[in-house]
Amino acid sequence: AQSVSQHNHHVILSEAASLELGCNYSYGGTVNLFWYVQYPGQHLQLLLKYFSGDPLVKGIKGFEAEFIKSKFSFNLRKPSVQWSDTAEYFCAVNGNTGRRALTFGSGTRLQVQP
Amino acid sequence: NAGVTQTPKFQVLKTGQSMTLQCAQDMNHEYMSWYRQDPGMGLRLIHYSVGAGITDQGEVPNGYNVSRSTTEDFPLRLLSAAPSQTSVYFCASSETSGGRETQYFGPGTRLLVL
Repeated sequence: AQSVSQHNHHVILSEAASLELGCNYSYGGTVNLFWYVQYPGQHLQLLLKYFSGDPLVKGIKGFEAEFIKSKFSFNLRKPSVQWSDTAEYFCAVNGNTGRRALTFGSGTRLQVQP
Repeated sequence: NAGVTQTPKFQVLKTGQSMTLQCAQDMNHEYMSWYRQDPGMGLRLIHYSVGAGITDQGEVPNGYNVSRSTTEDFPLRLLSAAPSQTSVYFCASSETSGGRETQYFGPGTRLLVL
């Protein structure tokens, strides 16, 4: 079975600080990887996704993520966070199994202080 | 396109009551699924469907039923609500795209079972 670990449960940063959120997954086969963001009181929105090719993926709002196959990781980064980035961030994996479902990490709550 | 819609937004039930959470999508997506979101646990798959007339269990199916009579609709039924079913429920849909599919989420239904 596939699983996803997000090591940072709650991160507090000041505006303009750099962000890196960790995500590790366990699955032996080909994976599709996603980062979703949930702003307070809202539904999940797709930030970025990786299917294949260039392991550095750029998403919306200045976010990027790097897939490192040897480390089973898909860390999310942003060079300079803004107060509006305050949200919960979820890493998710689809291991191309018949279920076609996403396996989510437990989420990281990011709080950006002005 | 409205995307994925869910009703109601909020619901309070008493233990033992039944109800149906509605989910609809207008993107002609084959795949639909239901997740529940609980604090510190990310999203967990309840049931999913790969097309009209086909449903299957996810990670946490107990206490929930689903059916898929049309491509557009995928209702989730709670037959006898329990306090453990207090959660936020998200419906998602995706199209088949050679294994490269992205799931799109509805706005969620917040359910409180007393």
